[in-house]
Amino acid sequence: GAVVSQHPSRVICKSGTSVKIECRSLDFQATTMFWYRQFPKKSLMLMATSNEGSKATYEQGVEKDKFLINHASLTLSTLTVTSAHPEDSSFYICSARDIQMRKLFFGSGTQLSVL
Amino acid sequence: QKEVEQDPGPLSVPEGAIVSLNCTYSNSAFQYFMWYRQYSRKGPELLMYTYSSGNKEDGRFTAQVDKSSKYISLFIRDSQPSDSATYLCAMKTSGSRLTFGEGTQLTVNP
Repeated sequence: GAVVSQHPSRVICKSGTSVKIECRSLDFQATTMFWYRQFPKKSLMLMATSNEGSKATYEQGVEKDKFLINHASLTLSTLTVTSAHPEDSSFYICSARDIQMRKLFFGSGTQLSVL
Repeated sequence: QKEVEQDPGPLSVPEGAIVSLNCTYSNSAFQYFMWYRQYSRKGPELLMYTYSSGNKEDGRFTAQVDKSSKYISLFIRDSQPSDSATYLCAMKTSGSRLTFGEGTQLTVNP
């Protein structure tokens, strides 16, 4: 089956630093990738839709300047949490759409802890 | 009202039991229905994917869709401790955006 690789799996950083999370589709091309945020025992909350070669589409209430998304190639999207603060601590998950299989596959998630 | 309603549980069953997980939805435009399994601190894993009303079986898992009632179910037969996880229903229209349920936390006790 299709595989989506997300890295790093866990990051601990100091308040004020920026953190980059990578999401790669390993065996298919993904023109569209999605970034989610998940709080403990809660469902996935869509943050933004990342389209290859164009600007990301952010959901209402998500700060564009805070969560920078870049989808420079058909297999890679990155999420950068800029000037991270403790309230940004969360589990971030990406997914990539396999057009041929018409399915969405998820990365393994990144646990961000901001001290 | 949420577009997708799912009982968060927790649900605890003995090993070997049949597990029934359900979701209801309000948007009649939803056409594709999925069930994901998520282990703690991991990304969701696609279990079942269905398009039309009816049943779809894959091993111990059966997905059921009733569009007239806007109700979907996932049945797990002969449940195992390794099935302990959070199960998320998800659905979408013809586009790519998924709408998730809250997830049901399942524990299968040996």
